[in-house]
This record gives sequence, structure tokens and C-alpha cells, in this order.
Amino acid sequence: DAGVIQSPRHEVTEMGQEVTLRCKPISGHDYLFWYRQTMMRGLELLIYFNNNVPIDDSGMPEDRFSAKMPNASFSTLKIQPSEPRDSAVYFCASSLNSYGYTFGSGTRLTVV
Amino acid sequence: AQSVTQPDIHITVSEGASLELRCNYSYGATPYLFWYVQSPGQGLQLLLKYFSGDTLVQGIKGFEAEFKRSQSSFNLRKPSVHWSDAAEYFCAVGATNAGKSTFGDGTTLTVKP
Repeated sequence: DAGVIQSPRHEVTEMGQEVTLRCKPISGHDYLFWYRQTMMRGLELLIYFNNNVPIDDSGMPEDRFSAKMPNASFSTLKIQPSEPRDSAVYFCASSLNSYGYTFGSGTRLTVV
Repeated sequence: AQSVTQPDIHITVSEGASLELRCNYSYGATPYLFWYVQSPGQGLQLLLKYFSGDTLVQGIKGFEAEFKRSQSSFNLRKPSVHWSDAAEYFCAVGATNAGKSTFGDGTTLTVKP
């Protein structure tokens, strides 16, 4: 298996633009997680899905953030409009039940 | 609610020396416990996990961890550290059939030559 695949690896965008981050989880995994990592706040859980259904989105910072999982092999995290404080590394991870996460390599987002 | 404390924000050891990273958890039942490692510019990688049974678990890269229920601890150890072990280490606790894990704030390991 190629692991959890995230795209793009790097994204630079201007404030106010829409940003879409993509994730392909490991086939057969039933959980998918979106995390954000910054020096100031560390690793933050934004939202997670179980069998494509959102379970907890309490970590989504604002209405500007939205996430979807239309099928078992794809998820998106969208920020609209983007702001400089959204600059961070965004990680997607998947797991089979509670047996440990496999993380993607992350998307480094810079909003200027 | 579950929680994880990693008391050491930063640890420095000499190459070849032994290593122990501390992790304390809070959880009402038997937890699932994990250690992850994050090298610069990379995602987190699972080092090892404990679900049940033998309290000493072996992981990748020569790491091991011991679950001590009486101390609510799951400390990570390595007998001889290599320069390539320099990274950030995260302890996490999860629950049966819950999917989600709770992560500690991480410990940054620096290895001196």
C-alpha cells in the first residue's frame, strides 16, 4: 500500500482565496482524521470521520473550514476564505478501528 | 475523558547513550497506548503500540515501551541512541472501538555527537 496520500505537498495562496486540501486514506481503514500542526498550538484535531460519516468536528476553528468524505477513498478539507493565521501543516491520517494511525506527509499551507 | 502528559518538552542525550521518554496517561479503563515519531518535515510514524498482554512491547527502530498500570505510565526506551533518532516523539492514548486517540504535546529529542 502506498500509505496515506495527501496533495498538494505545498500550497501558497493569497488571503481571501479558497484552498482545498486532499487526502486518500489507506484502503480498508474505517477512520479518517484531519489535523493541523503549528509551532504555537502543536497538533490539533480538526475533524474525524468513521465510515465516511463526520463524527466530531468540534476542532474546526471557524465556519471558514469545511471537510467532506464523499467515499471511502477520498476526503477534502476546504478553507474559504483563507487567512494568514491558517498557515500551518495540515495532516491527514487513517486508521483501522483503534489500532493506530497512519499519517500522510502533510500539506504545508502558507497564506500571504 | 482521556489525557496524556509528556513531562519533558526537550531532552538532549549523547549518541550511544540510553534514552527514556516519559508518558503519563489518564483513562478510566484499559487504554490503547501508542508512541509516534516525527522527523523534521515528515508526518508522524507509529513506533509501537500496546493493547493488552505483555506489558513490555517492542517497536521499530530498536525502541521499546513498558506499560505500568499502577503508575499510569507508558515510557519509551532505547538502549543506545543514534544521531538519526533526533526527532519529536508523541505519546497517545486511545480506547477500544473509539477510533480517536488523544496525543501528548510531544518531546523533542536532540542527539549530541
